[in-house]
Amino acid sequence: DAKTTQPPSMDCAEGRAANLPCNHSTISGNEYVYWYRQIHSQGPQYIIHGLKNNETNEMASLIITEDRKSSTLILPHATLRDTAVYYCIVRPRYGADGLTFGKGTHLIIQP
Amino acid sequence: GAVVSQHPSRVICKSGTSVKIECRSLDFQATTMFWYRQFPKQSLMLMATSNEGSKATYEQGVEKDKFLINHASLTLSTLTVTSAHPEDSSFYICSASAGYTEAFFGQGTRLTVV
Repeated sequence: DAKTTQPPSMDCAEGRAANLPCNHSTISGNEYVYWYRQIHSQGPQYIIHGLKNNETNEMASLIITEDRKSSTLILPHATLRDTAVYYCIVRPRYGADGLTFGKGTHLIIQP
Repeated sequence: GAVVSQHPSRVICKSGTSVKIECRSLDFQATTMFWYRQFPKQSLMLMATSNEGSKATYEQGVEKDKFLINHASLTLSTLTVTSAHPEDSSFYICSASAGYTEAFFGQGTRLTVV
């Protein structure tokens, strides 16, 4: 899997939008950008994925730059329950291999 | 999203005994299941990949005789930690994939070996 770079931690006020950046400058043409999060002492939770177009679901929005070298996960109205470690992972769409987790970003939502 | 159930969520065992952890895909058939390990304040590390009916493929440095993986059906995979020692204490997490979907994760199992 291509390497990704994320800030180790971020703070965000409750009710505001949380914007989590990810750099993936070596992404290949067939690789998608996936986002997962892990709340303390739980298994990771799938959030969203995309190839080159911006994507939105009930949890978040994913903005991918035109050159696909970076992306931003947006949680539109952060709540305290969104405090977690967020992982950005690039991989082929239906890869048969397990996921390679980096250190992720520890997002702390402040009341 | 799809549901993956892992059991038990917590287990404490004595050093030298074996522990079995179950991972079930509840609403889809998982052709591939993955097992991860996570030590405190570290990220998840892939231990092994198992395909239904086949032998598991282990990552470098993971002892296959110590971490026995069985994937006998499309909805169940088990990880057995044999002759557990305190250094095996960790958070073990499974994930399941149907091949045409993203992988979904279980809740994790906190293993403490005393």
